[in-house]
Amino acid sequence: EAGVVQSPRYKIIEKKQPVAFWCNPISGHNTLYWYLQNLGQGPELLIRYENEEAVDDSQLPKDRFSAERLKGVDSTLKIQPAELGDSAVYLCASSPSGGADTQYFGPGTRLTVL
Amino acid sequence: SQQGEEDPQALSIQEGENATMNCSYKTSINNLQWYRQNSGRGLVHLILIRSNEREKHSGRLRVTLDTSKKSSSLLITASRAADTASYFCATDPGNTGKLIFGQGTTLQVKP
Repeated sequence: EAGVVQSPRYKIIEKKQPVAFWCNPISGHNTLYWYLQNLGQGPELLIRYENEEAVDDSQLPKDRFSAERLKGVDSTLKIQPAELGDSAVYLCASSPSGGADTQYFGPGTRLTVL
Repeated sequence: SQQGEEDPQALSIQEGENATMNCSYKTSINNLQWYRQNSGRGLVHLILIRSNEREKHSGRLRVTLDTSKKSSSLLITASRAADTASYFCATDPGNTGKLIFGQGTTLQVKP
């Protein structure tokens, strides 16, 4: 069974440019998460989806970040415009349902903003 | 905001030795999870311990939980070079799937 797939794995952009990350969760997993991981830190939740509904986006900086999960499967996270401080690893995870289910993480996208 | 804090931040041991990592958290929990992250990779779930459990084993891993002290420990016995990674504890205070991670312990196992 394929795990969580993310692309691209690496992205380097100039500040003020837009950038998008894509995530394909494990088949059948209803819950999808986007996390931000700064260097030397643990991941921090940005947004959580139950199917296509964003049930927790309280930590998403909505002035520049947006996300969508069309048809309750794949998801895209966008930053527009990117700032230097956005350089980090963006992790996607999925679980069969919410609650205490184990979360399965993708390899992440490492973003560098110059 | 980080719920958990791991101690030590970094640990270096020889292959075959045991490694112990500690995690402290702030609020009441339903369960606590430990994850491993190899360099440049995503996180891998290791073990979940519920608030009514005191100890749990999985292979070479032993996790303890002391809810009165709001702390947990992860013991890796007979460590291997392949155990070199960062280890994170995570809690879900609201049992909603919103995991709050600690800062992690970076373990290096020297062959």
